Amino acid sequence: QVQLVQSGAEVKKPGASVKVSCKPSGYTFTSYFLHWVRQAPGQGLEWMGVINPRDGSRSYAQRFQGRITLTRDTSTSIVYMELSSLRSEDTAVYYCARTRVIFESRKGFDYWGQGTLVAVSS
Amino acid sequence: DIQMTQSPSSLSASVGDRVTITCQASQDISNYLNWYQQKPGKAPKLLIYDASNLETGVPSRFSGSGSGTDFTFTISSLQPEDFATYYCQQYDNLLTFGQGTKLEIK
Repeated sequence: QVQLVQSGAEVKKPGASVKVSCKPSGYTFTSYFLHWVRQAPGQGLEWMGVINPRDGSRSYAQRFQGRITLTRDTSTSIVYMELSSLRSEDTAVYYCARTRVIFESRKGFDYWGQGTLVAVSS
Repeated sequence: DIQMTQSPSSLSASVGDRVTITCQASQDISNYLNWYQQKPGKAPKLLIYDASNLETGVPSRFSGSGSGTDFTFTISSLQPEDFATYYCQQYDNLLTFGQGTKLEIK
């Protein structure tokens, strides 16, 4: 069965960076785009970016440009989301999610990771 | 960026009620719209894709309609397990979520 397993919770200081991993299983890693979505406490969902595990190409939401980097390691079938220059407003649960249609970058998400809490506090 | 305006932001209803949520896009997005349900502490779940298609395994009391800029999500007869927060999401140009609608028990 398809699963997306994320790394554990992180506590970071303002100005630091965080790197969250997402390891899919149950399907061919390079066949489905993977997205990152975050949710601040009590707030809505915010799309951050997407990566194509096949070739590493990615797109980012404008508000995260310059601070976010999505990468993938095809040898371990893991996708990473790194966010830099953290501030308190970045405190949120970060999710990875798989596009529901093979080889498509959009069209909605059918499987999600369990979420990773990143807390930014001095 | 395409903005998605979802309304209402919250809604109180009773089991058995018919409930409707709307989502308006800041520009024409054709039918590139999905609807998700999220329960506290859980990841969202896809209910409707391409504005009106029911995801596999989702009960038929959920439905969606619309195209262009105006979209509607309906639950025909609320069940106890439907009390949750619902989000629309456009994917015409990158992706954007609506602000969410919290559906509470009256």
